[in-house]
Amino acid sequence: EAGVVQSPRYKIIEKKQPVAFWCNPISGHNTLYWYRQNLGQGPELLIRYENEEAVDDSQLPKDRFSAERLKGVDSTLKIQPAELGDSAVYLCASSSFTYEQYFGPGTRLTVT
Amino acid sequence: GQQLNQSPQSMFIQEGEDVSMNCTSSSIFNTWLWYKQDPGEGPVLLIALYKAGELTSNGRLTAQFGITRKDSFLNISASIPSDVGIYFCAGQTIMNRDDKIIFGKGTRLHILP
Repeated sequence: EAGVVQSPRYKIIEKKQPVAFWCNPISGHNTLYWYRQNLGQGPELLIRYENEEAVDDSQLPKDRFSAERLKGVDSTLKIQPAELGDSAVYLCASSSFTYEQYFGPGTRLTVT
Repeated sequence: GQQLNQSPQSMFIQEGEDVSMNCTSSSIFNTWLWYKQDPGEGPVLLIALYKAGELTSNGRLTAQFGITRKDSFLNISASIPSDVGIYFCAGQTIMNRDDKIIFGKGTRLHILP
């Protein structure tokens, strides 16, 4: 069974530029999560989707971050404009009815 | 807000030694999860615990869900070089459609040559 796929794996951008991350969850997993992981910290939830519905986006900085999960499968997370403090690893995870989350390899974002 | 206190922050051990780490919280969780993260990769689920008092093993790994539902520990027996990495605990509360999860800051395991 294929795991969670994320792309790109690495991204370097200048501040004020836009950036987008893509995630393809495990087949059949209805729930999709986006996390941000700062250096030396555990993952912190940004947004959770149940199918195509964002059911928890309370931690998403909505002034510059947006996400979508059209058709309830793939998802994209966008930052516009990026700031220096956005440098982090962005992780996508998915789960089924057991709620056990399976993570992708992450996208390491560096904002210069 | 909810916080998890994970300790120790880092460990330096000899190959073959046993390892113990734990997580505590002031909040109650109905699920505890333990993950391992290697450099450049996402966390990988090691053990999931669903009931207070539950003791679960996965090979050389053993984890327990504390009876108060506010803590959990992970033990690794007879450590080997591939055990090196960062171990995260996570407390999860699932109620109706609400799914809240919070991660500890990790325990970094180093094995001395």
